[in-house]
Amino acid sequence: DAKTTQPNSMESNEEEPVHLPCNHSTISGTDYIHWYRQLPSQGPEYVIHGLTSNVNNRMASLAIAEDRKSSTLILHRATLRDAAVYYCISGDGQNFVFGPGTRLSVLP
Amino acid sequence: GAVVSQHPSWVICKSGTSVKIECRSLDFQATTMFWYRQFPKQSLMLMATSNEGSKATYEQGVEKDKFLINHASLTLSTLTVTSAHPEDSSFYICSASLGQANQPQHFGDGTRLSIL
Repeated sequence: DAKTTQPNSMESNEEEPVHLPCNHSTISGTDYIHWYRQLPSQGPEYVIHGLTSNVNNRMASLAIAEDRKSSTLILHRATLRDAAVYYCISGDGQNFVFGPGTRLSVLP
Repeated sequence: GAVVSQHPSWVICKSGTSVKIECRSLDFQATTMFWYRQFPKQSLMLMATSNEGSKATYEQGVEKDKFLINHASLTLSTLTVTSAHPEDSSFYICSASLGQANQPQHFGDGTRLSIL
């Protein structure tokens, strides 16, 4: 079973920020938090990952709660191309189990 | 970012045929490769985890004699669906990583398998 829970779907307006939450209350001390996204009929695409500190890259930011039981993926300005299913996974590098993810719709 | 090539991208074949899917990491040596299958409008289901030079570890409910996985080198893993039947029709996706918690997975573009 997946070790994370996410909302089934979210909606955002184009060019507005999007905050995608993820709960991983059973995360172990050495598990990293990874985010991927998937467009229809494609393999997932890596977005970002982190352990304890907040992380930024060209695609997104990852805010990790101090107790590490939850995290938030932040898309600073949503575009139509960001519409996808976003998956949050916590793992040790040997066991990646995908949950249902969050389907993000971006409205023009 | 790292590139993982999966081939073929789609295949249609008759029931009873065995089908081989290749997964190659093109620009890094992948210690660990993963195989997933995905049904329409569902999430990815992990089938097996494969470490180079070792036997694959299959998830519960996945028949290892049905889905043969070989990971003979750090850049190539193969999944063979033996004696495929219509219920094996699915979207199969591989990923490659360095196998550590702080290393991301890099996914192939998937193989759509249709068994007639």
